Amino acid sequence: EVQLVESGGGLVQPGESLTLSCAASGFTFNIYWMHWVRQAPGKGLVWVSYINHDGSSISYADSVKGRFTISRDNAKNMVYLQMNSLRVEDTAVYYCVHDLDHWGQGTLVTVSS
Amino acid sequence: DVVMTQSPLSLSVTLGQPASISCTSSHSLVHSDGNTWLRWFQQRPGQSPRRLIYKVSNRDSGVPDRFSGSGSGTNFTLKISRVEAEDVGVYYCMQGTHWPPWTFGQGTKVEIK
Repeated sequence: EVQLVESGGGLVQPGESLTLSCAASGFTFNIYWMHWVRQAPGKGLVWVSYINHDGSSISYADSVKGRFTISRDNAKNMVYLQMNSLRVEDTAVYYCVHDLDHWGQGTLVTVSS
Repeated sequence: DVVMTQSPLSLSVTLGQPASISCTSSHSLVHSDGNTWLRWFQQRPGQSPRRLIYKVSNRDSGVPDRFSGSGSGTNFTLKISRVEAEDVGVYYCMQGTHWPPWTFGQGTKVEIK
């Protein structure tokens, strides 16, 4: 069974940084693409970033490009999202998503002064 | 970017009655590989999204057969043949043909009348 467990969310002030982690299990991690998708309170789903199976291909939504960095550690079955220069509008539940099929439970990031 | 437009945005349905959600894309979703990468997700209240349908019409394991997907090109439909109480939630279409970015519809909220 695919399991994705996100951690690292919390309350930060604008301009600060946060790193989200996602622990994956139940599938052969190193052959799948992984994504981060976010959902602002009461709003819809927005794709944030993707990383291919070996980390050689990465993409970001325009809204986070230059501020967020996705990475993965295939030895540890982990994917990360480093978020810098956070803005109020980055406030959302961040989901780790396996191949855009299986979703974690999400971790809440709140950016507020 | 491909824009995904869902209608209606809200649907109130009597138990046992059918429901239909439309999803229109701004570009044809037929990929050069011959596939149409259109998915449907269900998000029940307080839960993470769950994939229901992939490649337009393929139901995921465990998805009741009252859910069906259809369409081609730029026009797609999710149908629930007989709405049950557990179907309450928000439904999203998502395209994975022209990426990045992967893009979602705005979501359609289904409630029981």
